[in-house]
Amino acid sequence: TQLLEQSPQFLSIQEGENLTVYCNSSSVFSSLQWYRQEPGEGPVLLVTVVTGGEVKKLKRLTFQFGDARKDSSLHITAAQPGDTGLYLCAGVGSGAGSYQLTFGKGTKLSVIP
Amino acid sequence: GAGVSQSPSNKVTEKGKDVELRCDPISGHTALYWYRQSLGQGLEFLIYFQGNSAPDKSGLPSDRFSAERTGGSVSTLTIQRTQQEDSAVYLCASSLRPGTGSYEQYFGPGTRLTVT
Repeated sequence: TQLLEQSPQFLSIQEGENLTVYCNSSSVFSSLQWYRQEPGEGPVLLVTVVTGGEVKKLKRLTFQFGDARKDSSLHITAAQPGDTGLYLCAGVGSGAGSYQLTFGKGTKLSVIP
Repeated sequence: GAGVSQSPSNKVTEKGKDVELRCDPISGHTALYWYRQSLGQGLEFLIYFQGNSAPDKSGLPSDRFSAERTGGSVSTLTIQRTQQEDSAVYLCASSLRPGTGSYEQYFGPGTRLTVT
């Protein structure tokens, strides 16, 4: 069974601070996705990282995929209250299991004005 | 265009009753997924439909859970003889066929089920 461990589980910071969320696994994934979920809504895809060592930037968000494609991180620079939400990482399976997403438990981020 | 829709948005039921949850996927999406999200937990895979292929039911937690997808579009998740541990948010997602281009699942807003 593939598992994804996310840390921290909860994070409360002041507006303007930086933060990093980690997603680790003992398994290799074909790619890894990060989602953001707001209360009462479904998760929305932020980014997919595919290549080991890949770094993608989305405005103030920087996503990195580990060289061995087992771990990933999300770094937010100068957090804003609009960044508040639940951040989920999900590993994408390969081959016949390419439809399978294995989700971490999520990081609940609160950015205080 | 319209996204994934789910109904009802909230459902409160008594222990032992049956419930049906509905999902309308994005038009043209051949793949449909059901997940369960319990408090403090990530998304737990339940079932996957792809076109006319046999569904992957490996995530269904017990034989009280079943799902159908009629005409390759609308799907219904049925929970029989509900138990309190079934209380959760049930999320539906749809996508193009996995392996075709950029793979992204689009999620509906979920149905919050409370079993009393």
